[in-house]
Amino acid sequence: KQEVTQIPAALSVPEGENLVLNCSFTDSAIYNLQWFRQDPGKGLTSLLLIQSSQREQTSGRLNASLDKSSGRSTLYIAASQPGDSATYLCAVTDDMRFGAGTRLTVKP
Amino acid sequence: ETGVTQSPTHLIKTRGQQVTLRCSSQSGHNTVSWYQQALGQGPQFIFQYYREEENGRGNFPPRFSGLQFPNYSSELNVNALELDDSALYLCASSLDRNTGELFFGEGSRLTVL
Repeated sequence: KQEVTQIPAALSVPEGENLVLNCSFTDSAIYNLQWFRQDPGKGLTSLLLIQSSQREQTSGRLNASLDKSSGRSTLYIAASQPGDSATYLCAVTDDMRFGAGTRLTVKP
Repeated sequence: ETGVTQSPTHLIKTRGQQVTLRCSSQSGHNTVSWYQQALGQGPQFIFQYYREEENGRGNFPPRFSGLQFPNYSSELNVNALELDDSALYLCASSLDRNTGELFFGEGSRLTVL
């Protein structure tokens, strides 16, 4: 059974810092890993989808990588801004398994 | 192109009642999945519907049931509500059951008293 873990549960950084969020999964036989952003009480906003044939995806200041052999994905956020404050979740969408998220706070 | 829409946005029920939540999938999407998200946790998969048929189910009891209609909109029904059913219920649609990218609605916040 696929398990998805995100560590740390919470992270606080000063504005302008580059940061990395981590996502680990136990079964490396995956096809799709997706990163989401969730604001308090809201739905999930899709950020990036990485398919198994890809190693990474980029959108603006965001870059997500996938290493199936090590069971890890990372989300890199460049030049963080207070508007980036939210909870970031990863999911192995083949199995509909989500991590619990990392709550990011970017301080002005 | 309209995104995924859910209704109602908030509702309050009492223990033992029944509730129906609704979801309209994104245009062109034939697959809908439902999730329960408790505070501070990740979404938990309830079930998925593909072309009006259930196409996978998570670890939820039978009192959680669903439907998908010919226009691919969907309903989640929960009978005999329990206090622990209080959560944010999320609907996601995808282009096809084998297409990994999920698009979520804003959710329905259910409070059971």
